Amino acid sequence: NAGVTQTPKFRILKIGQSMTLQCTQDMNHNYMYWYRQDPGMGLKLIYYSVGAGITDKGEVPNGYNVSRSTTEDFPLRLELAAPSQTSVYFCASSYSDPTGGRGAFFGQGTRLTVV
Amino acid sequence: AQSVTQPDIHITVSEGASLELRCNYSYGATPYLFWYVQSPGQGLQLLLKYFSGDTLVQGIKGFEAEFKRSQSSFNLRKPSVHWSDAAEYFCAVYNTGFQKLVFGTGTRLLVSP
Repeated sequence: NAGVTQTPKFRILKIGQSMTLQCTQDMNHNYMYWYRQDPGMGLKLIYYSVGAGITDKGEVPNGYNVSRSTTEDFPLRLELAAPSQTSVYFCASSYSDPTGGRGAFFGQGTRLTVV
Repeated sequence: AQSVTQPDIHITVSEGASLELRCNYSYGATPYLFWYVQSPGQGLQLLLKYFSGDTLVQGIKGFEAEFKRSQSSFNLRKPSVHWSDAAEYFCAVYNTGFQKLVFGTGTRLLVSP
């Protein structure tokens, strides 16, 4: 199984540009998440989804948008990139909430730099 | 609000020595607690989790953790560390109200020869 796949792995953006971080999972998981990881700050939840067509804000949603048109895909959109969005982004999925089964599975991350 | 604190930013352990990584949580009821490991350049992998029952939880890769309600702690242990254990370790608590994992800031483990 591929698990959770994120693309791209690395990206440099100029201030004001936009981009979409792709995330797809092949485990038929209902729940999907986007986190950002900043040095010394742990992971912060940006957005999450409990099923196709349903999304909700996490702790740090400003400057981002998501959609969930299929069970497999959960893209994260950055509009008007800012230096504060320089971070490592992780997508994760779980069958139900993370307390069940084997918990949440994480992708390998996307390292984004905004200059 | 639920939170976790990992007081150690870095820990260095000699290969073959024992390891204990600290985690303290803040939560009113019985928490759902997790330990994840992140190897360099990789995503996070679940090591173990605790919901209820036996307070000593066994995980993968020879790790275990003990839930101590009186100390609000969930420390991760391994009796003998291998060089491949060098990674960053995250403690997390599940916020049932907001359906999200709340992560600590992580502890980076260095293993010396």
